[in-house]
Amino acid sequence: KNEVEQSPQNLTAQEGEFITINCSYSVGISALHWLQQHPGGGIVSLFMLSSGKKKHGRLIATINIQEKHSSLHITASHPRDSAVYICAVRLGADKLIFGTGTRLQVFP
Amino acid sequence: GAGVSQTPSNKVTEKGKYVELRCDPISGHTALYWYRQSLGQGPEFLIYFQGTGAADDSGLPNDRFFAVRPEGSVSTLKIQRTERGDSAVYLCASSLGGEQFFGPGTRLTVL
Repeated sequence: KNEVEQSPQNLTAQEGEFITINCSYSVGISALHWLQQHPGGGIVSLFMLSSGKKKHGRLIATINIQEKHSSLHITASHPRDSAVYICAVRLGADKLIFGTGTRLQVFP
Repeated sequence: GAGVSQTPSNKVTEKGKYVELRCDPISGHTALYWYRQSLGQGPEFLIYFQGTGAADDSGLPNDRFFAVRPEGSVSTLKIQRTERGDSAVYLCASSLGGEQFFGPGTRLTVL
């Protein structure tokens, strides 16, 4: 069993829809990261959080430490949001353990 | 200011050859990480430097892999006797201890 599980693996949506991507983990963590990766592109950090909720534009990330669960929400989705979204947990001060990612496609 | 840069962007080599992959972190970032991403998978941790020293190299798959950061800035990932299974995107990231900033990666193909 992977230490970080994401769902769904693939997600398609119509422009304007509200999107939720889930991440569950099984280890003790110091922080959780949500990352975005475009095809052929590099990885961009969206959020780093250790408790509660963070919002940036149309993106919202929440984490429940007791339940070892985090969600990434995208409001009013747009085709440019199409990418792979990766959840990663930080163990201690150093390495990240990554989920396998959720491939999102938003159609106009 | 420049972000994390990696060179080369693409490297094609033959099985058994030696390769070096370079990472230039963001200036002033003390922590540097190497990850490997195979097709369709999330990145996997390889090694983490704090300054010049390797603080955690538990992700290096075997002794063909080695990384250095002699002056606490640029890092080089070295792979000896490459195998076809080493083909992947090798990602570098740097940080000041919190958010990690990723480079564009080096796509390594071993024929």
